[in-house]
Order: sequence, then C-alpha cells, then structure tokens
Amino acid sequence: TQLLEQSPQFLSIQEGENLTVYCNSSSVFSSLQWYRQEPGEGPVLLVTVVTGGEVKKLKRLTFQFGDARKDSSLHITAAQPGDTGLYLCAGIISSGSARQLTFGSGTQLTVLP
Amino acid sequence: KAGVTQTPRYLIKTRGQQVTLSCSPISGHRSVSWYQQTPGQGLQFLFEYFSETQRNKGNFPGRFSGRQFSNSRSEMNVSTLELGDSALYLCASTRSSMNTEAFFGQGTRLTVV
Repeated sequence: TQLLEQSPQFLSIQEGENLTVYCNSSSVFSSLQWYRQEPGEGPVLLVTVVTGGEVKKLKRLTFQFGDARKDSSLHITAAQPGDTGLYLCAGIISSGSARQLTFGSGTQLTVLP
Repeated sequence: KAGVTQTPRYLIKTRGQQVTLSCSPISGHRSVSWYQQTPGQGLQFLFEYFSETQRNKGNFPGRFSGRQFSNSRSEMNVSTLELGDSALYLCASTRSSMNTEAFFGQGTRLTVV
C-alpha cells in the first residue's frame, strides 16, 4: 500500500496545455518535496514545501502544500516537451534523529510537440 | 563539484547469486540512502547510513544489507538474488541525516535472470 498516492499515473498532453498533478496521503508530513526523473537518470529535486498552505513557483511550475500538510499539487502552465518526465512527490517523516523520504507512485508526463 | 556516482551502471546476475553495488556521495555529504525503483512499486526506501551507522531501515528482507565507510562511500549487498530483485537501485546523498536536500545518482540497473 502506497503511503502517498499520485494522480494521474499517466498524462499525455499537447504543448501549450496546462496540467495539474496531485499527491495525497492520510499521513501528515513535516514537509514535502517534488522531484522530476528522466530516463536513465536519478530523480532531481524541484522544490521543498514546508508550511501548510504554502505555494511556491518555479518558472511555469506552481507547487502547493495542503493546509493540513497531507497533500500537495503541482501545476504546470503552458507545458513544453522539455517538461516530459516522471514526477515524484516525496513526504518527509521525522524518525528520531533522522528524516526519511517516502515517495509517491509517480506521474509519467509526456508533452507532445 | 562531482555528483553522486554509482557503479556499476548495469548488472546482470543469475538467481541465487549475490551482488554488491557501490555509491560515492557528493564530497562533504555524510548521509547516504538507498532506494529500489520498480515499475510496480515505485521508489521504495531500503536504508540510510550516516557516519558509518545505519540510521533507518525500510521494509526489506535481511538479504538486503549495506554499509558505509569512513570516507562516506557506501555499498549495498543483496544475497541469494531472486527474479523480483530486478530493479533500478538508486543512491542519494545529503549533507547530514537531518538535511532533506537529496542528490541522486544515476542508479544501477540490476537484472536477475
């Protein structure tokens, strides 16, 4: 059972369209991260959100952390083929003196030219 | 500065064999985490090492083990390989176990036949 559920699992859109990816959990996280992974590479950190209700923008990407710190969304405006990749959310749980990342199931985004 | 280096990039092993994967973190990073990535289960946390000590362990059988050396380099070992161990094994380094900005290597693609 995935602690973090992402939706949709797959998304194929045309260049210029907007999209939103969701990351939901019944658990509360101290913070949440979004990563993008391209074929043959490891995930690359895009953003970390810490405060409930926080909104962060990274060019055409907007990230939001839910008020209860259980869910998050990633919105991409005017998607481009270079946005293609696997988007992963990761919740951070504090365990004693360490912090553990728990990853969502991922959303495979394909942006067609 | 150099990124996280994982070796080898690709590996083919037979059922019942054992395998050792290596990870060299970013210089100055003392925490190394290992993840297994499969299409069905996504990214699953294996374990985390900090200052040569295992700080956290995921829900994997005892066939999966790891260690960290004084120079922060880490190895993970899988004994008695099963077909289901075929996966991309990713290593991530952070500056400390409390730091959540993780940098991933390109991974080792393990195929068990």
